[in-house]
Amino acid sequence: AQSVAQPEDQVNVAEGNPLTVKCTYSVSGNPYLFWYVQYPNRGLQFLLKYITGDNLVKGSYGFEAEFNKSQTSFHLKKPSALVSDSALYFCAVRAPYSGAGSYQLTFGKGTKLSVIP
Amino acid sequence: GAVVSQHPSRVICKSGTSVKIECRSLDFQATTMFWYRQFPKQSLMLMATSNEGSKATYEQGVEKDKFLINHASLTLSTLTVTSAHPEDSSFYICSASVASGGGDLSTDTQYFGPGTRLTVL
Repeated sequence: AQSVAQPEDQVNVAEGNPLTVKCTYSVSGNPYLFWYVQYPNRGLQFLLKYITGDNLVKGSYGFEAEFNKSQTSFHLKKPSALVSDSALYFCAVRAPYSGAGSYQLTFGKGTKLSVIP
Repeated sequence: GAVVSQHPSRVICKSGTSVKIECRSLDFQATTMFWYRQFPKQSLMLMATSNEGSKATYEQGVEKDKFLINHASLTLSTLTVTSAHPEDSSFYICSASVASGGGDLSTDTQYFGPGTRLTVL
């Protein structure tokens, strides 16, 4: 079974400072890893993903994430936080495609990011 | 690209009535669509996976007779909450995976709709 852990319910950061939202995962095989952002009463917006290749993945709105296989982590980062980055962030994992059901994503519980002006 | 819409965005209904929620992929064809439920301040819970032209696969604990899913075309899936009760009140979100040959869109990524807020009185 696959699982995702986001150890922080909330992260507070001052505007202009770097931010990190943590994620660790467990899955059989090479992981497909995703970050999504959710604004209040809205669906999820895709930020970035790691499938293969460079461990540092760049995504939308200046976000990036680093895949670390030995630590089974996929932390989301941004060099300089904006107030508009305040939202709920979800990390998700799935296994490589291996038949029916393997496209299913398993989500972490989410981390609320608050960027303080 | 990869726009998924849901209709309605918000619905309030009386207990015992049925409610239909539509999920459409607007600019791509979706091999697979997923239906999630999200409670306040919680993560997404996968309810079912549907593939065009076949029966949906429901997750354990999800009543298939209560949550009817139809995926009649590569761009439309519907979720019908039958005989809704207050405990069915929730935020329902759909997502879609791109069929192969979807241009720049990745087949590995789920693209999410904006969600439907259901309130059952």
